[in-house]
Amino acid sequence: QSVLTQPPSVSAAPGQKVTISCSGSSSNTENNYVSWYQQLPGTAPKLLIYDNNKRPSGIPDRFSGSKSGTSATLGITGLQTGDEADYYCGTWDSSLSAGVFGGGTKLTVL
Amino acid sequence: EVQLLESGGGLVQAGGSLRLSCAVSGFTFSNYAMTWVRQAPGRGLEWVSFISGSGDNTYYADSVKGRFTISRDNSKNTLYLQMNSLRAEDTAVYYCANRFQYSSSWTSFDHWGQGTLVTVSS
Repeated sequence: QSVLTQPPSVSAAPGQKVTISCSGSSSNTENNYVSWYQQLPGTAPKLLIYDNNKRPSGIPDRFSGSKSGTSATLGITGLQTGDEADYYCGTWDSSLSAGVFGGGTKLTVL
Repeated sequence: EVQLLESGGGLVQAGGSLRLSCAVSGFTFSNYAMTWVRQAPGRGLEWVSFISGSGDNTYYADSVKGRFTISRDNSKNTLYLQMNSLRAEDTAVYYCANRFQYSSSWTSFDHWGQGTLVTVSS
């Protein structure tokens, strides 16, 4: 059971938009920055979003992040088949003094 | 080019020990906090441990606290994870990663190794 809760799966058609939620608590998502990672099959995770809503260099603006209260959201527009991957949110938990990840969301582009 | 290369994984019996290494190149290692993250077969990411750039501050997941020790040798540009009293549930691919320099968060990691597989047999 992960500290952060994500939907197990989401799906949408190519060109459409999808959002992935990440729900936590006051000790993690509400009061700490959230990051988002993309993991393609058989590869290491890749940083997509940091500090809730910032994109590292090279990440297209189709990917966006937001946060409100104890929940964070990853948005992906203009879906491509290459976006099919597992997506994870992560943050620091001040009560645990530890990093925590969500359980991951598998994105299927139909 | 930034490179992180893990080594030291393998098959070990429950109760045994392993030491993982992560050799880093392409950036000033001592300036960056580092982390270990693991992924059990078919499962999600699990944060394991974190160490500051100087090595003075370390943090652990409850699941490994007291059994695993993170350390670094900044003269060798190498990160370590000493794993003792291994259990079947420690079976996973172990990744090392560096903290993203432009982030205010301790959990933004922008460069990752390819991972090393640890298998603990019971």
